[in-house]
Amino acid sequence: DTGVSQNPRHKITKRGQNVTFRCDPISEHNRLYWYRQTLGQGPEFLTYFQNEAQLEKSRLLSDRFSAERPKGSFSTLEIQRTEQGDSAMYLCASSLDSALRPQHFGDGTRLSIL
Amino acid sequence: GENVEQHPSTLSVQEGDSAVIKCTYSDSASNYFPWYKQELGKRPQLIIDIRSNVGEKKDQRIAVTLNKTAKHFSLHITETQPEDSAVYFCAASNSGGYQKVTFGTGTKLQVIP
Repeated sequence: DTGVSQNPRHKITKRGQNVTFRCDPISEHNRLYWYRQTLGQGPEFLTYFQNEAQLEKSRLLSDRFSAERPKGSFSTLEIQRTEQGDSAMYLCASSLDSALRPQHFGDGTRLSIL
Repeated sequence: GENVEQHPSTLSVQEGDSAVIKCTYSDSASNYFPWYKQELGKRPQLIIDIRSNVGEKKDQRIAVTLNKTAKHFSLHITETQPEDSAVYFCAASNSGGYQKVTFGTGTKLQVIP
């Protein structure tokens, strides 16, 4: 197992387009998290899955954002009608379903909106 | 919700000196405190963590202390090396909830050879 994998690494798109990112967590981890990180800031929580169930969403996650984890394995994060302010690094993390367990991060997808 | 404050935002030390980064949290229910190191363009990597039933934890040159009463915790790096240069994030979470992690704003550590 090579850890959390995210694709693509970089995405450049025009304002108004839709984008989709994929995250493959560590195989035995049933918790999966999405974060957004902008330059000079710490990761900001967006949403969380336990298996296929999306259990929590941040108020940062507007209606243009949707995340899925259909079979409890990989997850996708879609942003519709992208805006300049969506430019950021989108990080995925996974952890074991056990209290007090650390999250392991992927390398992220860097989104640039032209 | 939880709020984590981190200081300083930048820190420069001479190689071999110690570095200390401090964080405070607001939610008294938080009971898990990980620290992450993030090098430029790379993923955050866990370097050490501490649970609320422990006051101090050490791993080679890295140690973390926790004061639950004051709701603050600190990262100590001794005998710093140039490869310690990175951004360090503290974080807090509550295992009673969904283990949502709230991060601090980061400390950019520069170790001068």
